[in-house]
Amino acid sequence: EAGVTQSPRYAVLQEGQAVSFWCDPISGHDTLYWYQQPRDQGPQLLVYFRDEAVIDNSQLPSDRFSAVRPKGTNSTLKIQSAKQGDTATYLCASSLRWGEQYFGPGTRLTVL
Amino acid sequence: TQTVSQSDAHVTVFEGDSVELRCNYSYGGSIYLSWYIQHHGHGLQFLLKYYSGNPVVQGVNGFEAEFSKSDSSFHLRKASVHWSDSAVYFCAVSASSGSWQLIFGSGTQLTVMP
Repeated sequence: EAGVTQSPRYAVLQEGQAVSFWCDPISGHDTLYWYQQPRDQGPQLLVYFRDEAVIDNSQLPSDRFSAVRPKGTNSTLKIQSAKQGDTATYLCASSLRWGEQYFGPGTRLTVL
Repeated sequence: TQTVSQSDAHVTVFEGDSVELRCNYSYGGSIYLSWYIQHHGHGLQFLLKYYSGNPVVQGVNGFEAEFSKSDSSFHLRKASVHWSDSAVYFCAVSASSGSWQLIFGSGTQLTVMP
């Protein structure tokens, strides 16, 4: 069984640039999560989906961040105008309902 | 509000030593507690979880954790560590009132010396 895959693995941007992160969850998993993990901290939930519906995006900075999962499978997280404070690893995870979450390897973002 | 505290940012031991990584939580309702491991440059991997029943739960690779309601703790232990156990360990709590969202502690870096 393939795990959660993410791309790209690394991204380096100047402030003000846009970037998109892509996640392919485990086949059959209906729930998909995006986390932000600043250096030397634990992951913090940004948004999660059940199928194609957003269940909770209360921690997503809505003025610059957006996330979609149009067909209830793959998902894209986009930062419209990156800031230095966005420097972090972005982790995607998937699960079957409230079951165990399986994490992808993450995308390490550096904003200069 | 759920909080998870991992008081030790770094723990260093020698191969073959036993180790305990500490986790304390703050929540009064129905919760479940879990531990994850993160090797450098990789995502998190699930180790074990507790919801109810026997307060000592067994996980992968010889890890176990013990739940204590009186101490609000869920400490992770291993009797004999290997160099490959070097990683960051995260404790997490989730609750039905929070839609079972995982709230992670800040992590403990375990370094196992040869």
